[in-house]
Amino acid sequence: RKEVEQDPGPFNVPEGATVAFNCTYSNSASQSFFWYRQDCRKEPKLLMSVYSSGNEDGRFTAQLNRASQYISLLIRDSKLSDSATYLCVVNGRYTDKLIFGTGTRLQVFP
Amino acid sequence: GAGVSQSPSNKVTEKGKDVELRCDPISGHTALYWYRQSLGQGLEFLIYFQGNSAPDKSGLPSDRFSAERTGGSVSTLTIQRTQQEDSAVYLCASSLRQGAGANVLTFGAGSRLTVL
Repeated sequence: RKEVEQDPGPFNVPEGATVAFNCTYSNSASQSFFWYRQDCRKEPKLLMSVYSSGNEDGRFTAQLNRASQYISLLIRDSKLSDSATYLCVVNGRYTDKLIFGTGTRLQVFP
Repeated sequence: GAGVSQSPSNKVTEKGKDVELRCDPISGHTALYWYRQSLGQGLEFLIYFQGNSAPDKSGLPSDRFSAERTGGSVSTLTIQRTQQEDSAVYLCASSLRQGAGANVLTFGAGSRLTVL
């Protein structure tokens, strides 16, 4: 089983839609969780950290479910500019090195 | 510097040659990571340096790959006897280990390696 797993998509949604991505992780001892965004042929950039109680940043909401070992990202009122690949990041087994999921591709259309 | 700097940005080499890729992390960042990303694929962890601790080399795909970090700052990733399957973008990232911003990675723009 991969340490971090994501549905690769693509998710094709119209502008204004709400879309949610999940990411599962295998290390129950993981403490650090993040969502990164990667645009085509660019480096990944931090979108938001994920806190135990859940957190929101504008149209973006991240949640952590420790019991089921997954994190989620909800995007409300999707914009064309949200089109990108969303990467889930978790610290790995027995170490604090950061492991990336393969990413979920989002395409927002007019 | 203001960001993570990587060089060269592009490197084309012939199969069998050695290449060196350089990463200059953000000043004060104690953690440094190398990842590899093949076209259309996710990020593959290669190696992780944290302060003076022994590096985590668990992601290096073969003994042709090595990396070092001198003086806790600049890092060099070396690939010996390059193969065509080594073609990828090599991404370096750095982070603080503690305090605000801990474990938040800042990436360089990457070094795109093409092995002919």
